[in-house]
Amino acid sequence: KNQVEQSPQSLIILEGKNCTLQCNYTVSPFSNLRWYKQDTGRGPVSLTIMTFSENTKSNGRYTATLDADTKQSSLHITASQLSDSASYICVVSDRGSTLGRLYFGRGTQLTVWP
Amino acid sequence: EADIYQTPRYLVIGTGKKITLECSQTMGHDKMYWYQQDPGMELHLIHYSYGVNSTEKGDLSSESTVSRIRTEHFPLTLESARPSHTSQYLCASSQDGYQPQHFGDGTRLSIL
Repeated sequence: KNQVEQSPQSLIILEGKNCTLQCNYTVSPFSNLRWYKQDTGRGPVSLTIMTFSENTKSNGRYTATLDADTKQSSLHITASQLSDSASYICVVSDRGSTLGRLYFGRGTQLTVWP
Repeated sequence: EADIYQTPRYLVIGTGKKITLECSQTMGHDKMYWYQQDPGMELHLIHYSYGVNSTEKGDLSSESTVSRIRTEHFPLTLESARPSHTSQYLCASSQDGYQPQHFGDGTRLSIL
């Protein structure tokens, strides 16, 4: 069964600290993996997208890694800011259709305290 | 930020009413999608469209219907709302299946 599991479910950190969010997937075949940030009451916004051949991609203070062999990804946030408080969603796409079917994780709820 | 708009943002309405949730995008994307999201849960695809006059049901069964008469417009309709329809509905679009999907800010629907 194709699934995307994220951990931890929630995380609280102090402003300025770093953190790492995890994503494990069983989706096969694999096309790409995306990380989204969803602020409360808003739609998800894409942070990174990685294909099979990419193992690291950065977007400012966000760095995503992908290990396609172990089917694991992580999102590292450096020097956290209050505005980083949001849900971070891992999404994996398969190659099974022209649509590129998406499998969503439930997200990690990150809270950054001052 | 992507140019995809949803209205209304919030809707509280009684059982049995007909509801239409609006979604428009100005990017000229062919592919559009509707997702349903409950608190703390993953997004579930309920409808998608490859282009004008193309609509398909998604993975999650839904009593809603959609139409795609114009590229930029992808409304979702509930003919008779029920409390079980209470949820957040997110619209998205993409240029193709490999690019990030651009999401609207959603409609939070509450059926009394």
